[in-house]
Amino acid sequence: EAQVTQNPRYLITVTGKKLTVTCSQNMNHEYMSWYRQDPGLGLRQIYYSMNVEVTDKGDVPEGYKVSRKEKRNFPLILESPSPNQTSLYFCASSLYSSGTLYEQYFGPGTRLTVT
Amino acid sequence: GEDVEQSLFLSVREGDSSVINCTYTDSSSTYLYWYKQEPGAGLQLLTYIFSNMDMKQDQRLTVLLNKKDKHLSLRIADTQTGDSAIYFCAERGNTDKLIFGTGTRLQVFP
Repeated sequence: EAQVTQNPRYLITVTGKKLTVTCSQNMNHEYMSWYRQDPGLGLRQIYYSMNVEVTDKGDVPEGYKVSRKEKRNFPLILESPSPNQTSLYFCASSLYSSGTLYEQYFGPGTRLTVT
Repeated sequence: GEDVEQSLFLSVREGDSSVINCTYTDSSSTYLYWYKQEPGAGLQLLTYIFSNMDMKQDQRLTVLLNKKDKHLSLRIADTQTGDSAIYFCAERGNTDKLIFGTGTRLQVFP
């Protein structure tokens, strides 16, 4: 089954304790992206990656890091989480070919609470 | 920068039509999308429209695009309780980024 998986689905942590949210897709997609969803703000893009070893900042990259060492994985790293990073996080992937970005497939979301 | 706006709530009676509206600012938009988010789930693409089209119909869904006014709408015919969800409008311009609206929560009551 074609899917995007995220782990963990729920996480409660404390300020300053480094964490990683994993994202994996089995569709051989070139494009992967991380969003955060906050009430009244919709989805805002954190980082995206057009292919292996290629990553770019989205609209709200501060406080986050990503890496793309393999095509299927795109982990989101919070080196020193703060309470304003409490949010619902979505990973997405998409086929990207000949300059066209196709439908984005979303993971189920990770609800992060930083106290 | 680019901006996409939607009203936050819409409430309709089961069997009626729902119309969810969206406005955007990027005049270079190439694709416009409607996504559906059910409780506790990720976003699922419902439909999309190219910027050179003004209408697209897919079963109970009708998308209307007024490019001059930068206005997009999603009409759901014969709305059912299973249609209750948050609906996101998104646009893609000349970059590789998708810009999402704030989402419209659709509530369907019997």
